[in-house]
Amino acid sequence: AQSVTQPDIHITVSEGASLELRCNYSYGATPYLFWYVQSPGQGLQLLLKYFSGDTLVQGIKGFEAEFKRSQSSFNLRKPSVHWSDAAEYFCAVGAGNFGNEKLTFGTGTRLTIIP
Amino acid sequence: GAVVSQHPSRVICKSGTSVKIECRSLDFQATTMFWYRQFPKQSLMLMATSNEGSKATYEQGVEKDKFLINHASLTLSTLTVTSAHPEDSSFYICSASWFGRGAHGDNEQFFGPGTRLTVL
Repeated sequence: AQSVTQPDIHITVSEGASLELRCNYSYGATPYLFWYVQSPGQGLQLLLKYFSGDTLVQGIKGFEAEFKRSQSSFNLRKPSVHWSDAAEYFCAVGAGNFGNEKLTFGTGTRLTIIP
Repeated sequence: GAVVSQHPSRVICKSGTSVKIECRSLDFQATTMFWYRQFPKQSLMLMATSNEGSKATYEQGVEKDKFLINHASLTLSTLTVTSAHPEDSSFYICSASWFGRGAHGDNEQFFGPGTRLTVL
């Protein structure tokens, strides 16, 4: 069965500093991997997705993630965070057509931005 | 992207009553809708997958008689929590997909804002 681990429950970063959110997955085949962001009162929004090809994936809002098969990781990065990045971030692994039919989520990482 | 709404955003009910939650895709037709449950400080857990005009497929451990799902049209799915009890209190999230609508031309899931259910 597929699973996702996000080891950091809560991370605090100063505005303008760099960010890395960790994600480890367990999946028997080549995984479809996702990062979502959830802001209060809003639905989950897809930041980026890996499904093949280049292991460094660019997403929206200046985020990127790197797929490392040897480490079973898909860490999310941003070189300089903005106060508006404060939110809950979920890593997920998918199965089915394009990985979109059965998403398994991690427990999430809450990001706090301090001025 | 695409917009998915949920109604109500918050509901409080008495134990033993039934509650219906609506999920609508506002600007696209969704062949597939998904229902998730999220406990505090936990991840989203898939409850069921529904395709328009078909019976929902429930995940293991989810009581289909308790969580009734109807996907009667390409823009609306409903989740009815029957005879709700305090342990059903949770955050319920739906998502919708349509092949080709996703950012990669795929069947990306678009999520609603969620419904907070509190059962007294």
